[in-house]
Amino acid sequence: GQQVMQIPQYQHVQEGEDFTTYCNSSTTLSNIQWYKQRPGGHPVFLIQLVKSGEVKKQKRLTFQFGEAKKNSSLHITATQTTDVGTYFCAGQRNSGYALNFGKGTSLLVTP
Amino acid sequence: ETGVTQTPRHLVMGMTNKKSLKCEQHLGHNAMYWYKQSAKKPLELMFVYNFKEQTENNSVPSRFSPECPNSSHLFLHLHTLQPEDSALYLCASSQDEWGMAVPYMARTFGSGTRLTVV
Repeated sequence: GQQVMQIPQYQHVQEGEDFTTYCNSSTTLSNIQWYKQRPGGHPVFLIQLVKSGEVKKQKRLTFQFGEAKKNSSLHITATQTTDVGTYFCAGQRNSGYALNFGKGTSLLVTP
Repeated sequence: ETGVTQTPRHLVMGMTNKKSLKCEQHLGHNAMYWYKQSAKKPLELMFVYNFKEQTENNSVPSRFSPECPNSSHLFLHLHTLQPEDSALYLCASSQDEWGMAVPYMARTFGSGTRLTVV
């Protein structure tokens, strides 16, 4: 079945440092979504990428979708303590409802 | 509030008990989902309901029984659970736009029910 791998599993940074999490799929995706889950909270939808090579920005967050539509990344510039949480990617194939989630990258930001 | 309400927030049950989890969405979405979130595992899709019809059952044991009486409500009935079923159970909804070239199905999650089986 479709596998969505996400690395790293954990990342600990000092406030102000940058952070990147990577997502790789074993199959070509129709789209990829990113979610953030704060500690003790629930996943919250951040963004969806659809086009090959697409890049989207949300303030300090930059999302990329690879040319082959098999990988994606989330980059946070100058992290803040409010960025703490687990970031999940979720890939969707061309057919069906299945949204396959990666295991997530847990980000810890210390002041 | 997310627009997806789950009750109860916490549940402790014995292995011989029967309980139900409830989910209600106020977003007018046409699809609802149950997910299981365990430590160190990806979010696992359990069931999908689209327009009240169950469209996916991802090999979930029969001790979990979903019910979708209408497009706004979703239940998960639990009986004779095992300790390894302890997890966060998340309900989600989405508005499936099948007429689009690429379906846009962003999930809106509820706050979840933290289930402990003792």
